[in-house]
Parts: sequence; structure tokens; C-alpha cells
Amino acid sequence: DAGITQSPRHKVTETGTPVTLRCHQTENHRYMYWYRQDPGHGLRLIHYSYGVKDTDKGEVSDGYSVSRSKTEDFLLTLESATSSQTSVYFCATHRDGMTDTQYFGPGTRLTVL
Amino acid sequence: SQQGEEDPQALSIQEGENATMNCSYKTSINNLQWYRQNSGRGLVHLILIRSNEREKHSGRLRVTLDTSKKSSSLLITASRAADTASYFCATLMNYGGATNKLIFGTGTLLAVQP
Repeated sequence: DAGITQSPRHKVTETGTPVTLRCHQTENHRYMYWYRQDPGHGLRLIHYSYGVKDTDKGEVSDGYSVSRSKTEDFLLTLESATSSQTSVYFCATHRDGMTDTQYFGPGTRLTVL
Repeated sequence: SQQGEEDPQALSIQEGENATMNCSYKTSINNLQWYRQNSGRGLVHLILIRSNEREKHSGRLRVTLDTSKKSSSLLITASRAADTASYFCATLMNYGGATNKLIFGTGTLLAVQP
């Protein structure tokens, strides 16, 4: 699992509140990704990072922002959570120069009431 | 829109039987990968097949790729109860520069009855 941890693992919050999810990796991988998983949609890419302070948008980036101030940490922020952002969020990385295989964290289940 | 679509959405078989899942995709790819997800867990990479390959084996797994039909299949032979999980195909696409992105399908839920 490339030493990937996510925190928190579960969170319940209310509409309109800010939420930050953390992904931490111990492998010094350059690339990190945030996905959301919803029934009937599989995994969809929210944002990704290709280095410290280097990030870009994915397929479903609206309502989300990210930050990468250290190689090991990739933060996903919901500035004002909405019920449509209720989902399971996964972080992933891959080894530098090998984009083939992604290693996933255990996921964070977020419920927005 | 999703690049990959798995078929069937759900599959229930008896232990010892073979399980076949199919994946269709829309555009040209660099490679196609299959991942497994146990309930409540993250995804785990199973096997990768490159666009110039037609078949690949890994243990009880066999993957085929037909680029003319833009489809792939995953065969799990001699299934076990522990194979119960969701299986996802993912296609690797180049979005320009050095960044490639995985596009996931919607998954097949496999239940293996003991």
C-alpha cells in the first residue's frame, strides 16, 4: 500500500462547513491523487499533484481545493461542504517514472448532512 | 464520462467456478489495468496489459485485450470465497506532458459462494 494513510477515516459534517482530508505517504512519491468513489460512477479524479506546490484539476474538481506543502502530505479541502460531496474519498500515489500502478490509501468516508 | 464500463455489474458464482468480467472503453489507451476492492478498503492493483499485448496471465488471473473492439476481459479461474470483491478496470491515458491519468470503470461486484 506504499505506506499511505488517510485521516480521518470517517467524518460526519454539516452543509456549509469546511472540511479538510489528509493523505500521508512515506515513500517519497512525487505524484499523488485524490479520487471520490460513488455508486454507479466508479472512481473519479478530483485533483492530483506532481510535486510540492504543483497541483492540477481532475475530472470533478468543482467545490474542492488541494494543497501540497510537503512531499508526504496532500490535503483535500471542501471549502463549504454540500450533500453532493457525501462520498468515499481515496488518495493514491505511484512510483516516480512508473505511472502504471497506483497504490491506494484505505479511504475516508465523508457524510455531509 | 467514464472511460470504462464493466459488465456485468454484479456476478454471483459458486466456489471453484470461473468468473469472467468484461470492460469496454472509448478512446485509445496506453494500457489497461484491473484493480480489486474488498468491502470498505482501498483498491489493489491486480494486473496490467499494455496496448500492444493481447493476453496476460498472473496466477489464477487471465486478462485479454482487444483494441479493435476497445474491450478487455478478466477471468478468475477456480474462484474462492476470498475472491469476493469489486473489480474495476482502469485505462491509462496521456493528458499531455508527463502526466498520465487512470480512468476507472464502474466496477463488477463478484460474490463467490462457499
